[in-house]
Amino acid sequence: GDSVTQTEGLVTLTEGLPVMLNCTYQTIYSNPFLFWYVQHLNESPRLLLKSFTDNKRTEHQGFHATLHKSSSSFHLQKSSAQLSDSALYYCALTPGTNAYKVIFGKGTHLHVLP
Amino acid sequence: NAGVIQTPRHKVTGKGQEATLWCEPISGHSAVFWYRQTIVQGLEFLTYFRNQAPIDDSGMPKERFSAQMPNQSHSTLKIQSTQPQDSAVYLCASSLDKGLRDFSAETLYFGSGTRLTVL
Repeated sequence: GDSVTQTEGLVTLTEGLPVMLNCTYQTIYSNPFLFWYVQHLNESPRLLLKSFTDNKRTEHQGFHATLHKSSSSFHLQKSSAQLSDSALYYCALTPGTNAYKVIFGKGTHLHVLP
Repeated sequence: NAGVIQTPRHKVTGKGQEATLWCEPISGHSAVFWYRQTIVQGLEFLTYFRNQAPIDDSGMPKERFSAQMPNQSHSTLKIQSTQPQDSAVYLCASSLDKGLRDFSAETLYFGSGTRLTVL
């Protein structure tokens, strides 16, 4: 079935260093939508960015990701981590046209240290 | 725009009791989703409705969980005979269906969740 796999557990890094959170997916459909949602402490998840187009970089709030269908990946990156980036990050998948169910990975906690 | 409203924020039940969780989606949103959030499993899909009709309930534990959407302004998730393993944060989300043929890219807007604790 359809699934999303993320870097598991906790990622800890120092402010100013680059961020990369891995996300790979499995689906039988050829045109999936991929999303990154972010959840700060005591808040609800909210959309960070999304993509449908193969090999096109998508950016928002300093983060970027590129959907690579050849490797079924949608890694989240940022050039320089900030303390405020500390949060839980979810990669998610909608398998394809009219397949509205949104499937989430287990989430990756990012902890940025001063 | 008040966002997605979920009540109660916290609910404590004894093992074997029933719990009903409520969700009011954003006005005008035609899709409503229920998820269960735990540290171990992350966000697990339970069920979703589109225009009040149940579309996919493949994530629902069939025997004790049920969901309804009697009108466009609210949905309920009912858990019968609650068990300690049901303890989790239950999140409701809604999404706008713009009427396009492909609505797969629509953003989910989450409520604050109901934290269910089963003793």
